[in-house]
Amino acid sequence: AQSVTQLDSHVSVSEGTPVLLRCNYSSSYSPSLFWYVQHPNKGLQLLLKYTSAATLVKGINGFEAEFKKSETSFHLTKPSAHMSDAAEYFCVVTRFQKLVFGTGTRLLVSP
Amino acid sequence: DVKVTQSSRYLVKRTGEKVFLECVQDMDHENMFWYRQDPGLGLRLIYFSYDVKMKEKGDIPEGYSVSREKKERFSLILESASTNQTSMYLCASNGRREGREQFFGPGTRLTVL
Repeated sequence: AQSVTQLDSHVSVSEGTPVLLRCNYSSSYSPSLFWYVQHPNKGLQLLLKYTSAATLVKGINGFEAEFKKSETSFHLTKPSAHMSDAAEYFCVVTRFQKLVFGTGTRLLVSP
Repeated sequence: DVKVTQSSRYLVKRTGEKVFLECVQDMDHENMFWYRQDPGLGLRLIYFSYDVKMKEKGDIPEGYSVSREKKERFSLILESASTNQTSMYLCASNGRREGREQFFGPGTRLTVL
């Protein structure tokens, strides 16, 4: 069965330092994977998606993620955090027509 | 731009009341979904619909029902609200092709007293 594990419930970084949000997936077939972001009191917004084309996927706001089949990982990175990146991030895998969400990682950015 | 709208941002109901949450999408999407979001649990699928008048149970359908009479509208019904249904409810939609991302509404925060 398809599932995702977000390895950190909270990640704290300083503004200007790199961001790494970790996600491992489990899938019995080649999956589609997504990262969504949810800012406080806002709806979910698609950050980026992997659909079996390039393994390095670029998203909005300078984020990117690399699909590593050998490690079953899809970690989200950004070279330099901005205060506006503070939000909750969800790693998501497809299961037929449905999405399976991770439990979320809250990113805290300090000045 | 895809737009998914939900009828209320905040709702307060009493235990035992019948509650309707409405969702409308304007992109002619075949699939529509209802989730609930709780801290530390992520989003969990309650019900989804892949066509008018069609519905399928998600992972946590107990205590809920749905209705899809028109393609653009998907309603979530709490027949008799209970305090453990206090949550954020999110509606989403997408096209039928496998692997398509879902587009989300702003959510309804429901409190059951």
